Amino acid sequence: SQQGEEDPQALSIQEGENATMNCSYKTSINNLQWYRQNSGRGLVHLILIRSNEREKHSGRLRVTLDTSKKSSSLLITASRAADTASYFCATDLFLNYGGSQGNLIFGKGTKLSVKP
Amino acid sequence: DADVTQTPRNRITKTGKRIMLECSQTKGHDRMYWYRQDPGLGLRLIYYSFDVKDINKGEISDGYSVSRQAQAKFSLSLESAIPNQTALYFCATSDFAGVTGELFFGEGSRLTVL
Repeated sequence: SQQGEEDPQALSIQEGENATMNCSYKTSINNLQWYRQNSGRGLVHLILIRSNEREKHSGRLRVTLDTSKKSSSLLITASRAADTASYFCATDLFLNYGGSQGNLIFGKGTKLSVKP
Repeated sequence: DADVTQTPRNRITKTGKRIMLECSQTKGHDRMYWYRQDPGLGLRLIYYSFDVKDINKGEISDGYSVSRQAQAKFSLSLESAIPNQTALYFCATSDFAGVTGELFFGEGSRLTVL
């Protein structure tokens, strides 16, 4: 079963607009990560946010985390055609006795299309 | 050279054949993973290894086996391939410091089972 679910499944915007993708998850986490995948290529890590953090920035990326709602959002500002890709959230599950399950569980992804 | 290298990148095979996908890494990470990607289903974990002596099943391990030959090498085998194992397979590595951090992915191995 999927831990993370991204929303929307697909998003089409014009260059220069902002793109917002959301991720919801089901159980407690140590951290949540966002990855990007260009068509048919390997995934590339974008940003990691820890469970005790609420917001994080990296260049044009802004990630928020709301652990009470078990949700995260990824905002890409001033999008470019080169941002066209699929974006995945992934969670590192927190185990009841502490620590990490030791792997990441991925959502199904949001396919972003940025039109020039 | 890529930090995580997968071979072959593309493979077409027939039902019932044995297939091995290989992964090697130069990042010096202890942890290695095999994921499968199907359209619309995201990535699902097949197996993962914390070190040479440690192998763990993931969400969808049935029909697959793995071997961790060395810290840098982790191979995935399909003993008798079937068409629904047609997918894009990814190897990944990570360092570990109490929690699972960034995964570094290979470019993928596209497998087609006829």
